[in-house]
Amino acid sequence: SQTIHQWPATLVQPVGSPLSLECTVEGTSNPNLYWYRQAAGRGLQLLFYSVGIGQISSEVPQNLSASRPQDRQFILSSKKLLLSDSGFYLCAWASFGTGTDEQYFGPGTRLTVT
Amino acid sequence: RKEVEQDPGPFNVPEGATVAFNCTYSNSASQSFFWYRQDCRKEPKLLMSVYSSGNEDGRFTAQLNRASQYISLLIRDSKLSDSATYLCVVNPLSRLGAGSYQLTFGKGTKLSVIP
Repeated sequence: SQTIHQWPATLVQPVGSPLSLECTVEGTSNPNLYWYRQAAGRGLQLLFYSVGIGQISSEVPQNLSASRPQDRQFILSSKKLLLSDSGFYLCAWASFGTGTDEQYFGPGTRLTVT
Repeated sequence: RKEVEQDPGPFNVPEGATVAFNCTYSNSASQSFFWYRQDCRKEPKLLMSVYSSGNEDGRFTAQLNRASQYISLLIRDSKLSDSATYLCVVNPLSRLGAGSYQLTFGKGTKLSVIP
C-alpha cells in the first residue's frame, strides 16, 4: 500500500531564516506530487505541483520554491521566511494517468514563523 | 460566486441524529467531486468520491445535482467520532499538466456530535 511521509511535524523558525520541508512517498511510482498550505481559518491553497522528476510548476508567486530531486521525493524551501509563511503545510500525491483524481495527504508540517 | 462554497457551521447535533451538508460549485464543467474529512490539526482524509449522481458508503451518502451545481453529504446515525470538519472538493478540469489535476477545496463545514 502507499504511504506518504512528511517531516518535521512541527517547526518554529524566526523571520528571515531558511526553510526545508521534505515529503516522500512509498508504494507507488511516478506519482503527481503537490504542496499545499492551510492558514488558520482558511482553505487549502495549492503552492506547487510536479508531474515528474525536476518538473515543478508554481501556482502562487511567493518566496517559496519546490524541487523534486527523485521520483518520490518532494521538497519545499525558502531562503528567507516571512511571518505570513506560517501555516500548515501539506504534501499530497495522486496516481498518474489512472483517470481518477483522488489526492492523498501526508501528516503535514505545522510551521510557526516568529 | 466562489468556486466551492460551504456553510462553515458549526453544526452541533446529538448522537444518533442525521445531518446533511450542502456544497455549491461554480464551474458547470466540473466532472469529479469529493468529500474529505479533516480532524483538528490533522491532514484531510478522503471520505468519498462522487463521479456520477451519487455514492453511498455505510452511514454516509453523497449526492450530486449537476443542474443546480451542488453536492450534498448525508450522515446517518451520527457518532461522536464523526466530529470533524468536512471539506467539499471539486475538480474544475483546469488541467495543470499532462496527467495532473487541480482540485479546488472548500473551506469546510465543522460538525460536532454531542453525547
